[in-house]
Order: sequence, then structure tokens, then C-alpha cells
Amino acid sequence: QQPVQSPQAVILREGEDAVINCSSSKALYSVHWYRQKHGEAPVFLMILLKGGEQMRHEKISASFNEKKQQSSLYLTASQLSYSGTYFCGTEQPQGSQGNLIFGKGTKLSVKP
Amino acid sequence: DGGITQSPKYLFRKEGQNVTLSCEQNLNHDAMYWYRQDPGQGLRLIYYSQIVNDFQKGDIAEGYSVSREKKESFPLTVTSAQKNPTAFYLCASSPTGTGRSEQFFGPGTRLTVL
Repeated sequence: QQPVQSPQAVILREGEDAVINCSSSKALYSVHWYRQKHGEAPVFLMILLKGGEQMRHEKISASFNEKKQQSSLYLTASQLSYSGTYFCGTEQPQGSQGNLIFGKGTKLSVKP
Repeated sequence: DGGITQSPKYLFRKEGQNVTLSCEQNLNHDAMYWYRQDPGQGLRLIYYSQIVNDFQKGDIAEGYSVSREKKESFPLTVTSAQKNPTAFYLCASSPTGTGRSEQFFGPGTRLTVL
């Protein structure tokens, strides 16, 4: 039931936009997004809840399509600080007890 | 400052030895988690605890053990039964044990088996 993230890696120039997708074969209660810099702890970006609204954090926004069981993270006018690996964590209704199942990550590199 | 701490940052052990990784939080969170991270694999759940004196196995619990005697502490023991223990270990906590709360991660412990 591990969600699938795409693309696996993306390289951007500063100021460009990017979209990272997270798809599940199971129904989802919620989707979390985290960003991790190399050798550091993941940092929370946002949660999208079933029936909830699209979330936004500065120039990063995300959507959650419950019917398609997928979420997308939108990075607008990317900055050098956006570089890192982005993980989605999904909460599935059955058997998860509120725990998250994480995707394998999308490595984002922003170049000057 | 409130937060979650892990120690040590780097740990080396010989094959056949048990080793315990520390995780402490002063956020007054009920839920705590241990994840293992390998290159290209994302985060995989080892154990979790939603309340003191109770914990449950995650997806890859074999070769690991935990205890939750205090709300703020959730140590992880990597036993000699763990076949491939070299990895980056992350501890996290959350206000509640549901997916509606964000998880706060510690800085991690990088374990290397020699």
C-alpha cells in the first residue's frame, strides 16, 4: 500500500514551477507532505484531509483528490531553499490506526 | 525550547551486539514513532506508541524492540536478530495518534554495523 510518488527526481532553475504527485491504490483519509534536506530530519509542510480544502504554505500549495486517491504538491517560483527530498505520507482507513505510509520520495534540486 | 532529541547522532556497532537508540520529547505528545530510512526507500515504520505503557509493531519490527515507560521517552533497541541494521533511524512524535496531526521528527541517528 505504499503510495507512489512521481517524478522520482526533478531539476529546476530558480523561479521555475514544479508539481510532485502522490498516488495510492487505497482510499485515503489524509495526506501529509514533508521536506527533508540531506542528513536532516523531515520537516512538515502541510496536511490535506478528506473533505478538506486545498492547503497553502507560502508559495507551496497542495491538492487532494479523494476520488482518484492522489495528492499533488505545487511549488511556485522555486527558490534555492526548496531543494531537498519531498515525501508524501498517507493515512489509509483500514488497519492503519492513524499511522502514515510514506512514499519513496521525490528529489528536487533547484539551481541558480 | 520544545522539541524532540535523539542520541547519539552517529553510532557504530559490531555484528552480534545489541544497541539502544535514545529518543526524548518535551512536547507533551501522546504518540511516538520509530522509522527506518534507507537510500531510495522512504520512511518505514518500525514501532509506534499512542500512549504510555503501550506500543505496537509497525511494518518492519523484526529484530527491534521498544519500551514506553514514560510519556517523553521511547527508546529503540536494535538487536542482533536484525539482519541488516545499518540505516538512518528517525524518531517522531505527534500530539495524537491520528493522521490529523503532523509528526515532528528528531535529528536522527545514523547506525553503522562494522
